[in-house]
Amino acid sequence: SQELEQSPQSLIVQEGKNLTINCTSSKTLYGLYWYKQKYGEGLIFLMMLQKGGEEKSHEKITAKLDEKKQQSSLHITASQPSHAGIYLCGADSNSGYALNFGKGTSLLVTP
Amino acid sequence: NAGVMQNPRHLVRRRGQEARLRCSPMKGHSHVYWYRQLPEEGLKFMVYLQKENIIDESGMPKERFSAEFPKEGPSILRIQQVVRGDSAAYFCASSRTGGGKNIQYFGAGTRLSVL
Repeated sequence: SQELEQSPQSLIVQEGKNLTINCTSSKTLYGLYWYKQKYGEGLIFLMMLQKGGEEKSHEKITAKLDEKKQQSSLHITASQPSHAGIYLCGADSNSGYALNFGKGTSLLVTP
Repeated sequence: NAGVMQNPRHLVRRRGQEARLRCSPMKGHSHVYWYRQLPEEGLKFMVYLQKENIIDESGMPKERFSAEFPKEGPSILRIQQVVRGDSAAYFCASSRTGGGKNIQYFGAGTRLSVL
């Protein structure tokens, strides 16, 4: 079965700094999703990447998909306290229905 | 346009009792998924349903767990004779269509605590 490994597991950055979170798959990536989970709450959809080389941006968050490396990265520019939370990458499973998820990257942004 | 609604948000049960978790999908969505998030673990798929049909329950424990999505009303995840190991956050997601490359939108989850 597919495994998604996220790095780092946790991250503390100062407000205004840039940061990158990586998600590496053990198998070919067909669809890659990024979600954000605030502590004790549900998942908020951020972006979906479908093709190798695809890059999407939403406000200060940019995600890229490197199909050859079976990897996706999420980059936050000029981080703010509102960016704090747990970032999860998910990928389409073989069944096409379920999403497999990484264990998440916990982000804390300090003033 | 309301999102995915789950209730209750928190549920406390004693060992041996039954837990019923409800999920109303987003308007216009007919595909529902249930996931479980155990402490220190990632989200794990449990079951995928369409109206009146279970399509894939490969992630569901064989005993005590069942799910339904009736023609009318919310999807229900039912856990009979709960044990302490069932304590977790249970999330429901919905999508407009099924299959890959379809965005799943998640509810806020139900946090089940078994005493």
